[in-house]
Amino acid sequence: DSGVTQTPKHLITATGQRVTLRCSPRSGDLSVYWYQQSLDQGLQFLIQYYNGEERAKGNILERFSAQQFPDLHSELNLSSLELGDSALYFCASSVVLRGGNTEAFFGQGTRLTVV
Amino acid sequence: DAKTTQPNSMESNEEEPVHLPCNHSTISGTDYIHWYRQLPSQGPEYVIHGLTSNVNNRMASLAIAEDRKSSTLILHRATLRDAAVYYCILRGSMDSNYQLIWGAGTKLIIKP
Repeated sequence: DSGVTQTPKHLITATGQRVTLRCSPRSGDLSVYWYQQSLDQGLQFLIQYYNGEERAKGNILERFSAQQFPDLHSELNLSSLELGDSALYFCASSVVLRGGNTEAFFGQGTRLTVV
Repeated sequence: DAKTTQPNSMESNEEEPVHLPCNHSTISGTDYIHWYRQLPSQGPEYVIHGLTSNVNNRMASLAIAEDRKSSTLILHRATLRDAAVYYCILRGSMDSNYQLIWGAGTKLIIKP
């Protein structure tokens, strides 16, 4: 158990709909990252928040948005869903290692299926 | 940001050592090398990281070439539970807020 909690585990929805994925980071971790993993692909970085503020953006579509709340949990909002948005969505939180590196702890992911 | 190249897949026998190679010929002097693995139906988990010197921890060893253009993750005695996709990752630059740049990884198959 990494200590990062993602809900829901599975989500099936129709094209054009909007969904919200939720992530609770490990206790004490201020950074939250969101990643998308399509079938048999590597992870694509979407966005990072640090203590409530957006810190970095990756290949995140304009239809997607995220936020981190004062209690540090984060939500990823996906709207106008398309079939190609079907993927695993991972949340990670991080602790700082030596040299400013971070060890990221990942949740179990939310499997989104758009039909 | 520098990229990494890994074999798509490797096979190894149970209870034998495994050497997973990674090429990163465009690595910069300040890029750290990170390894994560992803077990089936799981989120990725941290394995090890290093800069120049070889590193050891309870999970694995990381051997870094002197010119830093390649590295090798060493699992000293593979078990069936080590079957996973192993990602060799370079930490991104300060401009990208030190993001981890993920490649496609190596799928490690362990034969009993």
